[in-house]
Amino acid sequence: DQQVKQNSPSLSVQEGRISILNCDYTNSMFDYFLWYKKYPAEGPTFLISISSIKDKNEDGRFTVFLNKSAKHLSLHIVPSQPGDSAVYFCAAKGNNRLAFGKGNQVVVIP
Amino acid sequence: NAGVTQTPKFQVLKTGQSMTLQCAQDMNHNSMYWYRQDPGMGLRLIYYSASEGTTDKGEVPNGYNVSRLNKREFSLRLESAAPSQTSVYFCASRESGANVLTFGAGSRLTVL
Repeated sequence: DQQVKQNSPSLSVQEGRISILNCDYTNSMFDYFLWYKKYPAEGPTFLISISSIKDKNEDGRFTVFLNKSAKHLSLHIVPSQPGDSAVYFCAAKGNNRLAFGKGNQVVVIP
Repeated sequence: NAGVTQTPKFQVLKTGQSMTLQCAQDMNHNSMYWYRQDPGMGLRLIYYSASEGTTDKGEVPNGYNVSRLNKREFSLRLESAAPSQTSVYFCASRESGANVLTFGAGSRLTVL
């Protein structure tokens, strides 16, 4: 039973435009949410996070929005760059562990 | 460089063989985790260790055993490998009170 869901497995976007990745979760006990980025043949690396008491967190080109009532979060990347081409995982923390979504493949076209 | 080190990076096994994946971290983190990544399935938690001396099952523990050898090391053992265990395995660690996991580079295992 997937507690963290990422639909739209892949996304292609033109360089300079906005990339928007969506994530839904089912467990209302999750108290912290993270996005990880993964390149081929490497481990996932932490990108940005948000506490459940906030609704927005921004770090340079990356912004995460949280809508607790809808159990939904999104990651905005603007402007998108070719180096952003990777798989992005949404993760939610509860009970000392992280539950991950299936990931979104992002391709940024130069 | 400080971080999480996994060995081996690649391994091919025959069905029924056993092997151990090793993981070590030098960040003095208390918690350590083993995940597997399969196409279309994301990262699924196999086992974790909240602190030295404790281990707990995750989502997909069947067919695996773990040992938290000391604070630095957390190994994953396949006693009798099956083709369904063909996957990329990631070890991760986390500092107490922190929310971010730091991952190793992964170990690609193929079971024929």
